[in-house]
Amino acid sequence: GDSVTQMEGPVTLSEEAFLTINCTYTATGYPSLFWYVQYPGEGLQLLLKATKADDKGSNKGFEATYRKETTSFHLEKGSVQVSDSAVYFCAGRDFGNEKLTFGTGTRLTIIP
Amino acid sequence: KAGVTQTPRYLIKTRGQQVTLSCSPISGHRSVSWYQQTPGQGLQFLFEYFSETQRNKGNFPGRFSGRQFSNSRSEMNVSTLELGDSALYLCASSSSQGPNTEAFFGQGTRLTVV
Repeated sequence: GDSVTQMEGPVTLSEEAFLTINCTYTATGYPSLFWYVQYPGEGLQLLLKATKADDKGSNKGFEATYRKETTSFHLEKGSVQVSDSAVYFCAGRDFGNEKLTFGTGTRLTIIP
Repeated sequence: KAGVTQTPRYLIKTRGQQVTLSCSPISGHRSVSWYQQTPGQGLQFLFEYFSETQRNKGNFPGRFSGRQFSNSRSEMNVSTLELGDSALYLCASSSSQGPNTEAFFGQGTRLTVV
C-alpha cells in the first residue's frame, strides 16, 4: 500500500539556521503531497502542498518541491525562528481519494 | 467562517465502556474523515464519509464505527474500549472537489481509557 517515509526527529536547531526535513512517498500513482504542522495542543494545519511533478509549494518561508523521479517532497526553510517549533508531518493523497497517508512526524525545536 | 469543531475536547472512559465523538465540518464541506493519533502508531486513517456514505475505511477493528448525518456532521463510536484506544482523535473536513482539495482539521478529542 501507500506509505510515507519521513526523517526521524527530534531536530533541534539554533534560530536563523537552515532547515531540511526529508520526505519520500511510495504509491502506485502520482499523489498530491502535503506538509502539515501541529502546534502543542492543536490539530493539524496545512503548511503547503503540491499536486503534480515539479510543483513547488511555499508558505511562511517554507518550501517543498515535488520531485517526480524520487517522489520526494523535502521541506526547507532558509532561516528558522523560535515560533517554528512544532511537529511537522509529511502526507500524501492519491487522486480521487480523501484518505491522507502520514509520515511519522518530525518534532522541531528552535533554540534562541 | 467557523472551522471544524470537535466535541468533547477531552474524555476519560473506563475499559469496556463505549464512547461517541462528534465532529461538525466547515459549512459546505461534505467529506469528513477521522484519524487516530498515538505516540506509537502516529496518524492513522479510520474512515471517510461523504454525503452520509462511508467511502473509505482504514484497518481498524469493527469496534470502531462512524456515521454521517444529512447536515454533514459526523460521529464516531468506539465500543468495548481498550487501554490501547487512548489517543487523540482528529476529524478533517473537505469540499472533496478534486486533487487541490484541502483537508481542514479540528483540534481533536483526547480520549483516555483507564
